[in-house]
Parts: sequence; structure tokens; C-alpha cells
Amino acid sequence: DIQMTQSPSTLSASVGDRVTITCRASQTLNNWLAWYQQKPGKAPNLLIYDASTLESGVPSRFSGSGSGTEFTLTISSLQPDDFASYYCQQYNGYGTTFGGGTKVEI
Amino acid sequence: QVQLVESGGDFVKPGGSLRLSCAVSGFSVSDFHMGWIRQAPGKGLEWVSTLIGDTKYADSVKGRFTISRDHAKNSLYLQMTSLRAEDTAVYYCARLSNSGYDYFDNWGQGTLVTVSS
Repeated sequence: DIQMTQSPSTLSASVGDRVTITCRASQTLNNWLAWYQQKPGKAPNLLIYDASTLESGVPSRFSGSGSGTEFTLTISSLQPDDFASYYCQQYNGYGTTFGGGTKVEI
Repeated sequence: QVQLVESGGDFVKPGGSLRLSCAVSGFSVSDFHMGWIRQAPGKGLEWVSTLIGDTKYADSVKGRFTISRDHAKNSLYLQMTSLRAEDTAVYYCARLSNSGYDYFDNWGQGTLVTVSS
């Protein structure tokens, strides 16, 4: 199974900050990686797929990059609505696995 | 408008069984691959199962859980047997993208399964 390691697990930031979350895979993913945002008590929401493609309707301050085994989610200017948890997901091969999550807090 | 609504979550004793349902509207379960993902209280997301023509299961549920769909009712199901305390979680039904790759572009609100004696 492909293991996904996200860092940091918690991130303290302020409105307007540039925020970067990293996801590392135990095997190369050929860019088959997605990012989700989850707010407390709500279902996850797809932000980015194929490592860098922005899902329709997602603000352009979100971006994804990376290849192989290391990937990054960047929020260019953190907004109040962005305080949430973020998860990466790999979909290369049998099944799929999620990273452990990053909580972005004030 | 795409909508997925889970139901069937309950309090059950270890060794018990439960069937979760996911009623879909806005698209046909016949046209999309579907899956279940769970989240234990205060924990991260864990993939459970995917229905893509054939079925795929996480090792933690293989042999105990069965995913299926009913085209006439436009619904997805998860039959869970031999339940364990570690199966306690919110279970989400989700639609896989139509790109052919296994990321989830629409999710239900989740249903809570609690396994405890």
C-alpha cells in the first residue's frame, strides 16, 4: 500500500498569510494526487486533482504543485473561510489512501 | 443538482451487522463509479470501498463489508458485518470523478456508526 505523510499536522496562521502544506508518498504517484478541505462537522470538499488542476468553483488562491513523491498545497493569501483541515489523497494503483491531515488554525 | 444522502447509521454491538444506504439525485449511479470513506471521531479520512464495475476494499474491511448499488433506486449501499469497535466512524458516500481516476468530486453529509458493548 502507498503511505501518505502530510506535514505539518497543525499550522497556525493569520489572515493574509501564504500557507504551504506538504504531502509525501511512499511511492511515485505519476501526479495522481488530490487535495480536499474539510470544515468541522462537514464532508470534505475537493479542491485540486491530478496534483495541480483546480476544481471548478474553487478560489484561485488555492494551488497545487509537485510530482513523483512530493506534493504541495499552497494558499496564496489565507482568508477567514480557509481555516479548516486539509487532506491529500493518492489514487495511483489499487484503492486509494489519504494523508493524515493538516489543521489550519488561527 | 448533485446530492448524496446517507442513512442507516446506528449504535450496534461488536459482532453485529448494519447496512448503510446512500440515496443519490442529480446523476445516475449507473453512470458513475462510487465509494465509501470513513472518519473515526477526531481522526483523518480512511478509504473503505469503491465500486468500479468490480469492487475494491481496504484490507481493514475486506471479507466483512460489501458494497453494492441498486440502479432502479439510484442508491449505493454498504453492508457491514462482524463489526468491531474500530469500525466506529462517520461513513461518507462519495462519487468518483468521471475522468476515470479515483478522486471524489461529490460527497454526502455522512452517517454515524457506533460499535460498542
